[in-house]
Amino acid sequence: AQSVTQLDSQVPVFEEAPVELRCNYSSSVSVYLFWYVQYPNQGLQLLLKYLSGSTLVKGINGFEAEFNKSQTSFHLRKPSVHISDTAEYFCAVLHFSSGSARQLTFGSGTQLTVLP
Amino acid sequence: SQTIHQWPATLVQPVGSPLSLECTVEGTSNPNLYWYRQAAGRGLQLLFYSVGIGQISSEVPQNLSASRPQDRQFILSSKKLLLSDSGFYLCAEREGAGELFFGEGSRLTVL
Repeated sequence: AQSVTQLDSQVPVFEEAPVELRCNYSSSVSVYLFWYVQYPNQGLQLLLKYLSGSTLVKGINGFEAEFNKSQTSFHLRKPSVHISDTAEYFCAVLHFSSGSARQLTFGSGTQLTVLP
Repeated sequence: SQTIHQWPATLVQPVGSPLSLECTVEGTSNPNLYWYRQAAGRGLQLLFYSVGIGQISSEVPQNLSASRPQDRQFILSSKKLLLSDSGFYLCAEREGAGELFFGEGSRLTVL
């Protein structure tokens, strides 16, 4: 079965410190990978995506993620976080084998809290 | 750029009352549209998706239904709300690579 695992449900970090949010997926076929951010009472906003090519993907707000095929991971990183980065972050995977109406599979989310 | 309008933004309804949440999309024609729900502690749950007018696929059997009366309109409904229907409902449109573009959501509280 295809799945997405975000191991950390909550990540507290001090302002200006680096952060890594972990995402692992299971799939026997090619995938596209995405990270979304959700601020309180808002919809999800796309941070970045990996489709092909370079395994290091840069997104908005200074975030980046690295696709590691051998470890089936797509961890999200930021070298220095701000208070405004406090939000919930979702990893998502699109599997290629699901047919024309293939759907995104979302992880359970990681709440990032940046402390002053 | 795309715009997704969700209405209403916030709704408080008694158990047993009907529900209608509306999603309208600006931009591309014949979009693939989705309804998701976020309930406390349960992450994102895909409820329905639609590839065209009158075409609805249900992912989870439940107390809700969806309709696509127009190309850019997607409606989520219920005849009788349950307490468990409370949550944050998100409408989304599929984009080129398969990622989703989300609306701002509708928060439903059933009392």
